Amino acid sequence: ETGVTQSPTHLIKTRGQQVTLRCSSQSGHNTVSWYQQALGQGPQFIFQYYREEENGRGNFPPRFSGLQFPNYSSELNVNALELDDSALYLCASSLRTSGGYEQFFGPGTRLTVL
Amino acid sequence: ILNVEQSPQSLHVQEGDSTNFTCSFPSSNFYALHWYRWETAKSPEALFVMTLNGDEKKKGRISATLNTKEGYSYLYIKGSQPEDSATYLCAFIRNTGFQKLVFGTGTRLLVSP
Repeated sequence: ETGVTQSPTHLIKTRGQQVTLRCSSQSGHNTVSWYQQALGQGPQFIFQYYREEENGRGNFPPRFSGLQFPNYSSELNVNALELDDSALYLCASSLRTSGGYEQFFGPGTRLTVL
Repeated sequence: ILNVEQSPQSLHVQEGDSTNFTCSFPSSNFYALHWYRWETAKSPEALFVMTLNGDEKKKGRISATLNTKEGYSYLYIKGSQPEDSATYLCAFIRNTGFQKLVFGTGTRLLVSP
């Protein structure tokens, strides 16, 4: 067990709706990253938060947004859902000062957009 | 190489066989290379975090090597067991100042009893 939890486990939405996914980081970790894994691909980096500020972003549109809270829990919000947003969403927590940037993953949220 | 590439895509071996996978990554601006083991419906589990050229790491029957100059890493499993069945992912971190993992598509291993 990594100590990182995500909710919900599964979610079904329709096109155009908005969704919020949640992640609870491992205790003491100050950095959280979000990844999207579409079918047949490796996880793709969405963005990273460090001390409640966005610290880096991948090639995802602005309708993907996030929040990190003082207790190091975090949210991924996706507006105006599209069919291609159907994927497994993973969060990973880490300690910024750890050598090699070891990351600890949650089990993911499976999002289906109909 | 601009992205992370893994081979083979999938592998089916018998219990007791030894096996190895390859991860190729960009050799410029290297910071770290991670290997993860991912069983279905579970969290990806970190196997190794490798940062130095020539690194060799071992955990039980699993070991990994790293060549940052030519941009590849090998993962070896000695005497495969059915519980080794999983997808093995490698991920590269560039020296950009933040912790972005660039993943390969993984190698899916099935070990039959």
